[in-house]
Amino acid sequence: AQSVAQPEDQVNVAEGNPLTVKCTYSVSGNPYLFWYVQYPNRGLQFLLKYITGDNLVKGSYGFEAEFNKSQTSFHLKKPSALVSDSALYFCAVRDWMDSSYKLIFGSGTRLLVRP
Amino acid sequence: EPEVTQTPSHQVTQMGQEVILRCVPISNHLYFYWYRQILGQKVEFLVSFYNNEISEKSEIFDDQFSVERPDGSNFTLKIRSTKLEDSAMYFCASIWAQGLNTEAFFGQGTRLTVV
Repeated sequence: AQSVAQPEDQVNVAEGNPLTVKCTYSVSGNPYLFWYVQYPNRGLQFLLKYITGDNLVKGSYGFEAEFNKSQTSFHLKKPSALVSDSALYFCAVRDWMDSSYKLIFGSGTRLLVRP
Repeated sequence: EPEVTQTPSHQVTQMGQEVILRCVPISNHLYFYWYRQILGQKVEFLVSFYNNEISEKSEIFDDQFSVERPDGSNFTLKIRSTKLEDSAMYFCASIWAQGLNTEAFFGQGTRLTVV
């Protein structure tokens, strides 16, 4: 069965510094990986996805993520954090064998960017 | 930009009562989902729906839950007899095609409070 782990409940970073939010996954075949962001009292907003191709994918708001097959990781990164990036971030995986195309989410990481 | 809409945004109900959560997916989407998020925690898959039938459901989705697409636009989640532990944020999502590479679009959620 597929699963996603986000080992950090919270990540704290100063504005202007680079940020990394970690994600590792487990699937039976090729992974399809996604990052979503949730602002307070809001829904889940798509940030970026990895399907195939370049291991470094770029998404919304200056975020990018690096797919590493050997480490089964898909860490979210941003070169320079903004206070407005403070939110809850979810990594998700879709298994290529899953005909329902559902997403399996990690437990979420709260990002706090301090001024 | 098209979006998934959910109503109501907040529902308070007494334990044992029936509730219906409503969603209007994006119009040309084919797959529909309900997910649940207990306050600030992991987003959990409940059910997927395709071609007017359930394609997959999780162990959370027991006989108290049902889904329906009554009129080709709305997609509803019914909880027959609510329990305190059903209190959560419920998200509807849809994807537009058969495709592992398509991201899911989420609604803003319905916060269900069972008292």
